Amino acid sequence: DTAVSQTPKYLVTQMGNDKSIKCEQNLGHDTMYWYKQDSKKFLKIMFSYNNKELIINETVPNRFSPKSPDKAHLNLHINSLELGDSAVYFCASSLSDRGNTIYFGEGSWLTVV
Amino acid sequence: KQEVTQIPAALSVPEGENLVLNCSFTDSAIYNLQWFRQDPGKGLTSLLLIQSSQREQTSGRLNASLDKSSGRSTLYIAASQPGDSATYLCAVTRLTGGFKTIFGAGTRLFVKA
Repeated sequence: DTAVSQTPKYLVTQMGNDKSIKCEQNLGHDTMYWYKQDSKKFLKIMFSYNNKELIINETVPNRFSPKSPDKAHLNLHINSLELGDSAVYFCASSLSDRGNTIYFGEGSWLTVV
Repeated sequence: KQEVTQIPAALSVPEGENLVLNCSFTDSAIYNLQWFRQDPGKGLTSLLLIQSSQREQTSGRLNASLDKSSGRSTLYIAASQPGDSATYLCAVTRLTGGFKTIFGAGTRLFVKA
């Protein structure tokens, strides 16, 4: 009964491939996020969705495309993977987009070789 | 532009010691401030959330304070235990511009038995 679950947890893939990371939350929240944590442990927002609508889109390459089929799911698709995409990607959710407590998934470790 | 800084970057203390972790932010126009804990290989767990109108929040052995005018927050941990060893991250949510949450780089805490 994990609150925010994301799959896969580990992903090793070659440069140029396309991959997806899936995320689901069972908390009944309206807002979901994707964060990226790099090798220096900095955590930065990539995207934020509220009620399936994109509300925050940071300066992220077009190769990254989020998709929210419903309020409980926010998937991240990455095209033409590059070495620099190697990082931990965290999915998260909150009750609304107004600064409520954020609940994180366990992370997806992406390694591009 | 909001920047969040955490000092020290790492801290090692003997078990039982009381300790303070510091967080500073450059823009006082915040909606709230959150403290998170991150264990190795895991996601972030929210510890405390302080609204901009509040001065402090307490949960068990944890006490977080907020001084918005000076751009500072502290996380006080009483009677530290080895199980407290983790990385502690501070995050502020902006008041404007989409309520984006900005994270500090964290303080790595090691409590020696």
